[in-house]
Amino acid sequence: DSGVTQTPKHLITATGQRVTLRCSPRSGDLSVYWYQQSLDQGLQFLIQYYNGEERAKGNILERFSAQQFPDLHSELNLSSLELGDSALYFCASSPRTPGQGRNEQFFGPGTRLTVL
Amino acid sequence: SQQGEEDPQALSIQEGENATMNCSYKTSINNLQWYRQNSGRGLVHLILIRSNEREKHSGRLRVTLDTSKKSSSLLITASRAADTASYFCATETSGSRLTFGEGTQLTVNP
Repeated sequence: DSGVTQTPKHLITATGQRVTLRCSPRSGDLSVYWYQQSLDQGLQFLIQYYNGEERAKGNILERFSAQQFPDLHSELNLSSLELGDSALYFCASSPRTPGQGRNEQFFGPGTRLTVL
Repeated sequence: SQQGEEDPQALSIQEGENATMNCSYKTSINNLQWYRQNSGRGLVHLILIRSNEREKHSGRLRVTLDTSKKSSSLLITASRAADTASYFCATETSGSRLTFGEGTQLTVNP
């Protein structure tokens, strides 16, 4: 158990809908990362937050957004869902300050999103 | 596109044999990390090697890093059926961002 929790574990929804994925980082970790893993794209970095502020963006679509709250939990919002958004979405946390190096990340169990 | 590329894509061995996976990357890095993923589960950090290190050991794991060739290898000795998983290398560049490779699927047959 990494100490990172994600809810829900599974989510089945229809095209055009909007969903929210939730992540609680390990106690004390200020950095949160979101990743998307699909068969054709592999593991893609989406976005990073540190202590409530956005720090880096990766291959995140404009239909997707995220935020980190004062209690450090984070939410990833996916809207206008398409079939191709079906994937595993992982959250990871790290105790490191961005730029500090040695950024070992601890991954949650993931949310499996299926868009029908 | 992925920074790291693992080789081979898939590897099947017998219990007790050694497994070697390779990773190549394209840009300068601060460190390189290896992660393991059991089917459909979250990734688990295995080992980190800094750019000024050449070799590192952790239990049955041995990692090498050749920054001149921009490559790394992960050796798992005396493999067990429980080692069956996907293994990913991840490179950390400035800003602490990790870029993952496509992974090697290791199958250890009992």
